[in-house]
Amino acid sequence: DAGVIQSPRHEVTEMGQEVTLRCKPISGHNSLFWYRQTMMRGLELLIYFNNNVPIDDSGMPEDRFSAKMPNASFSTLKIQPSEPRDSAVYFCASSSVLRASFYSDTQYFGPGTRLTVL
Amino acid sequence: AQSVSQHNHHVILSEAASLELGCNYSYGGTVNLFWYVQYPGQHLQLLLKYFSGDPLVKGIKGFEAEFIKSKFSFNLRKPSVQWSDTAEYFCAVNAQGTGNQFYFGTGTSLTVIP
Repeated sequence: DAGVIQSPRHEVTEMGQEVTLRCKPISGHNSLFWYRQTMMRGLELLIYFNNNVPIDDSGMPEDRFSAKMPNASFSTLKIQPSEPRDSAVYFCASSSVLRASFYSDTQYFGPGTRLTVL
Repeated sequence: AQSVSQHNHHVILSEAASLELGCNYSYGGTVNLFWYVQYPGQHLQLLLKYFSGDPLVKGIKGFEAEFIKSKFSFNLRKPSVQWSDTAEYFCAVNAQGTGNQFYFGTGTSLTVIP
């Protein structure tokens, strides 16, 4: 099992540029999560999807952030325009629902994308 | 709203010392509980989890955690730490009825001195 795959692993860009982060969840998982980790704020949940549908995007900081999941095997997180304060490590995680009572099994994290906005 | 508290922000121990990291959550219903570890420069990895059954859960690398429902706690323990245990440790809760959302604590940074 390849685990959760994220690309790119590192991204350096200039303020104002568009940034797209990509994630491939573990095959068979039906939930996908995007997190952001910084020294100041720790680990923050940005958005999560169930069966490709966004369930909770209350953690998305601003309209500059958007996320899509066009199919069960792919998701993107886009920042447009990027700003220096967006610099962080962005993690994608996936899991599966155990049963209809809304229990969730373990979340498996990808290696993360380290974003630096100059 | 649900919350997870990790009261120890930074812990420094010498090798062979015993470890206990606190985790408390605020949710009165049924929960799944997790401890994750993040080694320097790496992603979060599962240490152990509790869904039901024996409240004393054993995980990888000699870690264990005890679920005490009356105290809303899920403390992580290890009898003898090693230098390689230096990492950030996160407690997480998935509460019944909240869908797939996990609630993570703020993390505890553990430094083990050789």
